[in-house]
Amino acid sequence: DTAVSQTPKYLVTQMGNDKSIKCEQNLGHDTMYWYKQDSKKFLKIMFSYNNKELIINETVPNRFSPKSPDKAHLNLHINSLELGDSAVYFCASSYVQGPTNEKLFFGSGTQLSVL
Amino acid sequence: ELKVEQNPLFLSMQEGKNYTIYCNYSTTSDRLYWYRQDPGKSLESLFVLLSNGAVKQEGRLMASLDTKARLSTLHITAAVHDLSATYFCAVVRGYQKVTFGIGTKLQVIP
Repeated sequence: DTAVSQTPKYLVTQMGNDKSIKCEQNLGHDTMYWYKQDSKKFLKIMFSYNNKELIINETVPNRFSPKSPDKAHLNLHINSLELGDSAVYFCASSYVQGPTNEKLFFGSGTQLSVL
Repeated sequence: ELKVEQNPLFLSMQEGKNYTIYCNYSTTSDRLYWYRQDPGKSLESLFVLLSNGAVKQEGRLMASLDTKARLSTLHITAAVHDLSATYFCAVVRGYQKVTFGIGTKLQVIP
């Protein structure tokens, strides 16, 4: 069973389109995240949700809107895609307090290519 | 703003050799992690270091933390090809605010 699963794995789209990436975790974690990894492999946090509540919202264009229908899901919707949005987007989850000392469990990533 | 720096950024080493990757961070932190990422793959947690002087070892990898120096090291002993990957350190400060280093790409040559 996949612990943190995100779909799609690859997403190729035209500039100006709107797209969504979905993420689900079956670990019972209470916190979920979205990270962006750019072409230089630098990982930067975008959002963090704890029990469906937005906790961290880094300086991200408001074209990016996370949605957490329940604590096991955190989706990322992107409006009006731009070339600079091309990157790998990772979903992750963790316990805020728990036996795993808050280490992050990552999904397999979504490679977004904006043409 | 918390900054996390790793060095070296690239490391090519022969099998059987030892080497150390360094991770410096700019302000006090609550925890430090080491992650591994294989090409085109997700990140896998290696170690969590919670306190000054913490040392964790698994296989050929050993991580340590010096909170006074704001420094963590990841030591590789007798490297093997399977260790080729990119290694990230990540520092937590505040409520779930995780800042990653830029990564060290390790290539172990047979």
